[in-house]
Formats: sequence, structure tokens, C-alpha cells
Amino acid sequence: GDSVTQMEGPVTLSEEAFLTINCTYTATGYPSLFWYVQYPGEGLQLLLKATKADDKGSNKGFEATYRKETTSFHLEKGSVQVSDSAVYFCALTDTGRRALTFGSGTRLQVQP
Amino acid sequence: DTAVSQTPKYLVTQMGNDKSIKCEQNLGHDTMYWYKQDSKKFLKIMFSYNNKELIINETVPNRFSPKSPDKAHLNLHINSLELGDSAVYFCASSQVSTGGIETQYFGPGTRLLVL
Repeated sequence: GDSVTQMEGPVTLSEEAFLTINCTYTATGYPSLFWYVQYPGEGLQLLLKATKADDKGSNKGFEATYRKETTSFHLEKGSVQVSDSAVYFCALTDTGRRALTFGSGTRLQVQP
Repeated sequence: DTAVSQTPKYLVTQMGNDKSIKCEQNLGHDTMYWYKQDSKKFLKIMFSYNNKELIINETVPNRFSPKSPDKAHLNLHINSLELGDSAVYFCASSQVSTGGIETQYFGPGTRLLVL
């Protein structure tokens, strides 16, 4: 079956540091890939997505590139802010299955 | 202009009780979902309805019964609540767009605590 693996957290960074959160996946079809963010006490918000190999999703300074050869979709941001502190989820939908399969989430803590 | 709304936001109840959570979306989407987020933040699909028809039913105890009265609503009824049912329940909706791409939009979650 499909699965998503994310790096363990928490990730603690200082403001303006570079962020990478690793995500790799296994899928039987042609998945679409997503990053969702969950701020404390809130629901899930779509951060970015990519639907085919070599697509780059970007939003609010965050980027991720769909790498089929390495089955990866790593999240990056050049300069994090305290307001980016949240839990980040990598997820996929696969051909013929519309439900999201989520990774375990990575908590990001940004210190001033 | 809430896109996906859930009620209640918080629910505290005793073991053995029966409770319902309601979800409504005003996005015009044809598919709705229930996900469960456990205490370790892990998210897992429970059910999905497309045009009021059940299309996904994961391994969930039959104490959980979803109901979709129309495309815009998906409710979750839970009988005989157990301690292990304590979690955050998220509703989501989506619509397949041109090119087969779809994005799921989530509600704010219902935090259920069973005592």
C-alpha cells in the first residue's frame, strides 16, 4: 500500500535559518503530493502541492519539488520566521484512491 | 465565509454515550471525508462520500456511522463511546478539477474527549 515517511521532529531553528523537512513516499500509481500545515489548535491548511514529476510547488516562501527518481518531496524555506512554528504534514493521493495518505508530521519550532 | 465547518468544536462526554459531529461545506464539492487525528498527531482516513455515496470505508469499528443527507453535509455518529475514541476528527471536502487534479480542504476539527 501507499505510505509517506517524514523526518522525526521536533525541528528547532533560529529565526532566518534555512529549513528542510524530508519526505519520501511509496505509491503504486501516479501520486499527487501535498504539504499541509497545522498551526497550534487549528485545522489543516494546504501549503503547496505538485501533481507530476519535476513539478515544483511553492507558497509563502516554502518550496517542494516532486522527484520521481528519489520518490521524494522535501519541503524547504530559505528564511524561517517565528510565525512558521507549526506541524507540517507530507501527504499523497494515489491513482484511483482519493483519500490522503499522511506522513506522521514534523513539528517545527522557530526561536527568535 | 467558512468553507468547511464542523460542529461542535469541542466535545467532552462520558464512556458509553452516543454523540454526533456535523460537517458542512459551501465549496460546491462532490466528495467529503472524515479523518481521525490521534494523540501523536497521526492522521488517518475513516470514510469518504461522493455524491452521498460511500466510497471509502476503512477499518473502523461499526460504532462509527457516517451519514450524508446531501452533497454539502457529512455527519459522523458514534455509538457507545470508548476512551480510545478520544481524538481530533477532521472533515474535508474536494472536487476533481480539469486534468484530474483535486485538493482537499479541511475543517477546523472537533476535539473529542471521552472520560
